[in-house]
Amino acid sequence: EVQLVESGGGLVQPGGSLRLTCAASGFTLSDHYMDWVRQTPGKGLEWVGRTRNKGNSYTTEYAASVKGRFTISRDDSKNSLYLQMNSLKTEDTAVYYCARDVFWSGIYHPYDCWGQGTLVTVSS
Amino acid sequence: DIQMTQSPSSLSASVGDRVTITCRASQGIRNYLAWFQQKPGTAPKSLIYAASSLHSGVPSRFIGSGSGTDFTLTISSLQPEDFATYYCQQYNIYPLTFGGGTKVETK
Repeated sequence: EVQLVESGGGLVQPGGSLRLTCAASGFTLSDHYMDWVRQTPGKGLEWVGRTRNKGNSYTTEYAASVKGRFTISRDDSKNSLYLQMNSLKTEDTAVYYCARDVFWSGIYHPYDCWGQGTLVTVSS
Repeated sequence: DIQMTQSPSSLSASVGDRVTITCRASQGIRNYLAWFQQKPGTAPKSLIYAASSLHSGVPSRFIGSGSGTDFTLTISSLQPEDFATYYCQQYNIYPLTFGGGTKVETK
């Protein structure tokens, strides 16, 4: 069964750092594009960033709101995806989801699998 | 950035109703449009990609259409489990962007 499980969320002060983990099972993570998406409490969805697959050198894309502060990485040996978040701001408070892109007809499309989400609260 | 505008922001409907949600892009996105369903306290669920292709396991009452800038999600006969919030997302150009959501409530 394909499954994604996020962990690592919690309370952090403004300016602090946190690393989220997305543990993948039931498939080989390195074969897939993966995205991070967040949702502020009571609000809508915001795309955070993407990492392409091994065949595309794991290159990344980021939303302007997090570029330079957040970094997406992987550990193939652990079949895990990471979101390193630095210089956190109160507006980064959200539930963070990882999601797997689906490859169809030559391109990658969002998403055939989502994690359950992990809550990050940035507050003093 | 491409702005995605959903309408209405909420609607009231009854079981068995035909429901239509609209998503408009601020510029053309070909057919690179996805739809998601979300219920309170749970992760989004993917319904449709490439504007009209259903993800595996999604009931055929969910119908996506459109291309360019104008897209629709139609639920042909609303079921009790369909009361939720629906989001569209464009993935033609980075950054990927979501619509603001449409909440489908019981009448």
